[in-house]
Parts: sequence; C-alpha cells; structure tokens
Amino acid sequence: DSGVTQTPKHLITATGQRVTLRCSPRSGDLSVYWYQQSLDQGLQFLIQYYNGEERAKGNILERFSAQQFPDLHSELNLSSLELGDSALYFCASSVSWTMNTEAFFGQGTRLTVV
Amino acid sequence: GNSVTQMEGPVTLSEEAFLTINCTYTATGYPSLFWYVQYPGEGLQLLLKATKADDKGSNKGFEATYRKETTSFHLEKGSVQVSDSAVYFCALSDSGQTGANNLFFGTGTRLTVIP
Repeated sequence: DSGVTQTPKHLITATGQRVTLRCSPRSGDLSVYWYQQSLDQGLQFLIQYYNGEERAKGNILERFSAQQFPDLHSELNLSSLELGDSALYFCASSVSWTMNTEAFFGQGTRLTVV
Repeated sequence: GNSVTQMEGPVTLSEEAFLTINCTYTATGYPSLFWYVQYPGEGLQLLLKATKADDKGSNKGFEATYRKETTSFHLEKGSVQVSDSAVYFCALSDSGQTGANNLFFGTGTRLTVIP
C-alpha cells in the first residue's frame, strides 16, 4: 500500500459527460501529480500541484482541469469526454516539489468512455 | 527536451535467467534516473534510483548504473523469478533547474517469467 488513495477505482461514462477523479496523497506529502496511462500514449504527465498551487503543466487538454484543496487532496476534472479519453489515470504524491525524491503512486482510476 | 527510450517488449524469460532491459535518455539538465515497476492491477512502485553519474541503484536483486557517457540506465537482474513478472518503466526527473518537476517515463517493458 503506497498510502495514496484514488477514488473511484472504475468509472464508466458516456461521451460528452463530465467526471471528477479524486486523490488523497500520502500523509505529509505536499505535491500531487496526475498522469494518464493509455495503450497508445504510454504514461503522460498531466499536471502537478504543490501545497495548493499549480506547479507544472504537461500534456493536459483544455477540457481537463485540476485543483488541490487546503487539506492537500486533489481532484482531476474531465469534461466533454471523448472515447479517446478512456485510460488509466494515476495520481502520485511526493514530499517535495521535485520528483527527485520518491514519488508514490495510487492504484489508479480506470475511466471508460462509451 | 527530456525523453526516455526504453527497450520494446514484451520479454519472456525462464525462471533463473538473466534479465537486461535497456534504457537510454535525453535530458537538458542534470537528471535523476529511476526504474518503476507496475504489478498487475496496481500502481507504479519505485524499484531503484540513481541521482548522479556513476551511481548504482539496487533493490530486490535488480541493479542499474547511471552512465552519463552513454546516457543509459539499463536494468539488470542475475536470476529472475516468476514473481518478477510485471511492467518495468524507466524514468527521468530533471533536477528542477529547468523548472519542470515531473517524471518522464519510457513506454514500459512487460516482463513475463515462466517456471
């Protein structure tokens, strides 16, 4: 158990809909990272938050957004969903703002868009 | 920019065979290098890491040496077990000097070890 909790584990939704994925980082970790893992794209970095503020942005679509709350949990919002958004979404946390320290991954949320 | 090129899989080995998974990288700064492992149905777990040139990371019988001259970080294990069956990801993190603070992953190599 990595200590990072992601909910829900599975999500099935229709095209055009909006979903929210939730991540609770390990106790004491201030950084939260979101990754998308798909068969054709591999693991893609989406966005990072550190202590409530956006720190780095990767290949995140404009239809996607995220935030980190004062209690440090994070939510990834995906809207106007398309079939191609079907993927495994991972959250990771680390104690510092850089991933040179160990990052701990959650078990992921599998999103299926039908 | 930063990128990781990883040996294509899948790799199938018999138990007790020698494992090598190749990984090369391109980086603009002074990266740290990692191997992560993903067991079926689970998230990624850090297997080992090296933060500077010539460092050797090791864990659970796996080893990888940070070779700056060849920009490589190949993963090796002398004798694999069935329980090593998983997907292995090579990754790099820049030092933070460029302002990007995330891991760049390779495409992953699926290893299957048969008894």
